[in-house]
Amino acid sequence: DIQMTQAPSSLSASVGDRVTITCRASQGITNDLGWYQQKPGKAPKRLIYGATSLHSGVPSRFRGSGSGTEFTLTISSLQPEDFATYFCLQWNYYPRTFGGGTKVEIK
Amino acid sequence: EVQLVESGGGLVQPGGSLRLSCAASGFTFSDHWMDWVRQAPGKRLEWVANIKGDGSEGYYVDSVKGRFTISRDNAKNSLYLQMNSLRSEDTAVYYCTRALEFWGQGTLVTVSS
Repeated sequence: DIQMTQAPSSLSASVGDRVTITCRASQGITNDLGWYQQKPGKAPKRLIYGATSLHSGVPSRFRGSGSGTEFTLTISSLQPEDFATYFCLQWNYYPRTFGGGTKVEIK
Repeated sequence: EVQLVESGGGLVQPGGSLRLSCAASGFTFSDHWMDWVRQAPGKRLEWVANIKGDGSEGYYVDSVKGRFTISRDNAKNSLYLQMNSLRSEDTAVYYCTRALEFWGQGTLVTVSS
């Protein structure tokens, strides 16, 4: 199975901060990667697909980059509604696999 | 608007069975792969299975192969997950998703005696 290693597992940040989260795949997955946001008790929402494409309706402060084995989600200016947990997901191979998550908390 | 509504979760004893359903609306159901994903308490999300739009192909994570069956009824815009021989480690919130793009709110399955 493809292992998705996500870092950091948690971070504290302030409103307006730039935040960067990374995912590393155990082998190349081209650009078959998505980023998701999940708030407590809610279903995940897709933010990014194809490593770099913004899901419809998602604010432009979210940006995805990378290909192959290294991927990054950047939030350019953290907003109050962005405090949540973020996951990456690869769909290049079966079984699809998720990163362990990054909890973004208020500093 | 894409809507996915899961049902059928609940408390079941180890070794028991449960059938989850997902009612889909807001899109042409038969055009899309559908997936089940689960999240056990305190654990990372785990992809469970998926099925092609016409039902001709399906894939499973190894831990559920031979115990779970994914199916769909395109006439009813519905997705199903038949879960047999349930184990405590199957306890999780189960999400129905349209190709991992749109997600339902989930249904809780608890396997316990």
